[in-house]
Amino acid sequence: GQQVMQIPQYQHVQEGEDFTTYCNSSTTLSNIQWYKQRPGGHPVFLIQLVKSGEVKKQKRLTFQFGEAKKNSSLHITATQTTDVGTYFCAGLGTQGGSEKLVFGKGTKLTVNP
Amino acid sequence: DAGITQSPRHKVTETGTPVTLRCHQTENHRYMYWYRQDPGHGLRLIHYSYGVKDTDKGEVSDGYSVSRSKTEDFLLTLESATSSQTSVYFCAIGRGINLRNTEAFFGQGTRLTVV
Repeated sequence: GQQVMQIPQYQHVQEGEDFTTYCNSSTTLSNIQWYKQRPGGHPVFLIQLVKSGEVKKQKRLTFQFGEAKKNSSLHITATQTTDVGTYFCAGLGTQGGSEKLVFGKGTKLTVNP
Repeated sequence: DAGITQSPRHKVTETGTPVTLRCHQTENHRYMYWYRQDPGHGLRLIHYSYGVKDTDKGEVSDGYSVSRSKTEDFLLTLESATSSQTSVYFCAIGRGINLRNTEAFFGQGTRLTVV
């Protein structure tokens, strides 16, 4: 079945450093979504990418969707302590004849002030 | 948050007992999902629904059943709870008109412990 791999699993940075998490799918995706989950909280939708090669920015966050629509990345510039949490990608692909949203295992980001 | 409520928020139950978790939405959205979250596994889809009485299995559906008799309620039942089903369960709704144009909005989660 469809698999969505996310790396790294953990990332620890000093405040002010950049951070990137990568997402790779075993199959071509219809779209890719990114979510953030704060410690003890629930996942919160950040953004959706649909087009091949698409790049979107939200302040210090930059999201990219690969040309083949099988990979994506989230880059945070100059991390802050408020960026702490787990970042998940989720790919919409076809599995068993129906479309399903499948999540990666997430990248847990900790930021040292 | 997004008009979605999960109940109960916490539950401890014994092995072998049936358990039902409820997800209630106030916004009449078509898509509803149940996920479980475990350390090292991220979010895994259990079942999802694309309308009243229309449900489908996710990647970890064994031992779980669902029902959606009304648009606003999506119930997840553990038919005979096992310790491996100790987890945090999240319900989510999809706000779009189809899966290609919808993002998932999550409830607060239910922490279930099976002893």
